[in-house]
Amino acid sequence: ETGVTQSPTHLIKTRGQQVTLRCSSQSGHNTVSWYQQALGQGPQFIFQYYREEENGRGNFPPRFSGLQFPNYSSELNVNALELDDSALYLCALTTGGGFYEQYFGPGTRLTVT
Amino acid sequence: DQQVKQNSPSLSVQEGRISILNCDYTNSMFDYFLWYKKYPAEGPTFLISISSIKDKNEDGRFTVFLNKSAKHLSLHIVPSQPGDSAVYFCAAMKYTGNQFYFGTGTSLTVIP
Repeated sequence: ETGVTQSPTHLIKTRGQQVTLRCSSQSGHNTVSWYQQALGQGPQFIFQYYREEENGRGNFPPRFSGLQFPNYSSELNVNALELDDSALYLCALTTGGGFYEQYFGPGTRLTVT
Repeated sequence: DQQVKQNSPSLSVQEGRISILNCDYTNSMFDYFLWYKKYPAEGPTFLISISSIKDKNEDGRFTVFLNKSAKHLSLHIVPSQPGDSAVYFCAAMKYTGNQFYFGTGTSLTVIP
């Protein structure tokens, strides 16, 4: 049981607005990755944070940004929302064992209208 | 550019039989591969992985096979159980990188 939580569960926003999604866990994980999963697609890597610094980014524009806090919780911020941003957003944390086995939260379903 | 592909969107199997899920990749630099299972309203759950130095890894009812020359991996579930019904994603990465590349998923239905 990794206890990875994400909030909110669901969210509806209007095009052009800004949104902040959150991720946390019961225990400390120094690496967090964020993914976007569009309907019918696999998760797509947005970026990763390691010890509060961005440690890699996928093919997403700068209006997708993130933060990782000293308590290892994390935020994903998306500015100037577009209709195509509607998706399930997943955070994934690593355990102390190995980086390669990421443990996912349940996701936040974002709908942009 | 989809570097990891799962060409079968869905698969139905009778309980007790073998389920075989397939995955192909295009990037020869990938050297670590994973399978995840996803139930509705939950995040993906890690299932099993394999390094490129191996061609097989087994964990209980789950076995992953890797054919590097064909850039193909498969997940075998024997025997299949109704609780295995879920969407299965394969993922790949490079040890030197930090990005996972996921396939589009295969929805497995195990019929009682």
